[in-house]
Amino acid sequence: ETGVTQTPRHLVMGMTNKKSLKCEQHLGHNAMYWYKQSAKKPLELMFVYNFKEQTENNSVPSRFSPECPNSSHLFLHLHTLQPEDSALYLCASSLPTRGENTGELFFGEGSRLTVL
Amino acid sequence: QQQVKQSPQSLIVQKGGISIINCAYENTAFDYFPWYQQFPGKGPALLIAIRPDVSEKKEGRFTISFNKSAKQFSLHIMDSQPGDSATYFCAASISRNTPLVFGKGTRLSVIA
Repeated sequence: ETGVTQTPRHLVMGMTNKKSLKCEQHLGHNAMYWYKQSAKKPLELMFVYNFKEQTENNSVPSRFSPECPNSSHLFLHLHTLQPEDSALYLCASSLPTRGENTGELFFGEGSRLTVL
Repeated sequence: QQQVKQSPQSLIVQKGGISIINCAYENTAFDYFPWYQQFPGKGPALLIAIRPDVSEKKEGRFTISFNKSAKQFSLHIMDSQPGDSATYFCAASISRNTPLVFGKGTRLSVIA
């Protein structure tokens, strides 16, 4: 059973909708990530939070807006998305990327997003 | 620019055979090289990882071979089983303290 839970598992939205993806981790980690997984492409890092502070924004369009209210929860707010944004969005957690850590990412099962 | 190049894109292996997946990197600052395994409908999970101070690491049927001079590393799955059918991702980072950079993935199918 994964220690990282993502909801919803599937989401269909129109280009004018506003929706949010939620991620919760129960592993006591302080770093959380959003990755985008598209077919035949590498996993794309979108955002990284360490101790609730955003430390990476990988040139992600502003129609994706992350929020990390505490070390256990991470949200990805979506608005005016494009069909090419359809993908599997994966949340992950780890020990902080400052200082020593195991380097291991723990992923959730993902939220499959379809933009019509 | 793709920092970690993975091949092949897909692989079909007979049960009991050896599966080999290769990765190459350019950034010589990378010093942590994990492999992740992803089953359909699941998120990736760490399978095995290596640091460049060793040339090989083995865990059960899974072995990473590392060639620092060639900037290449590979995953070998011995005695491949149908349950190994999954997508495998290589990755790299700097001192385990920077976000991982992933390859495109290899879809492995082990057939009986």
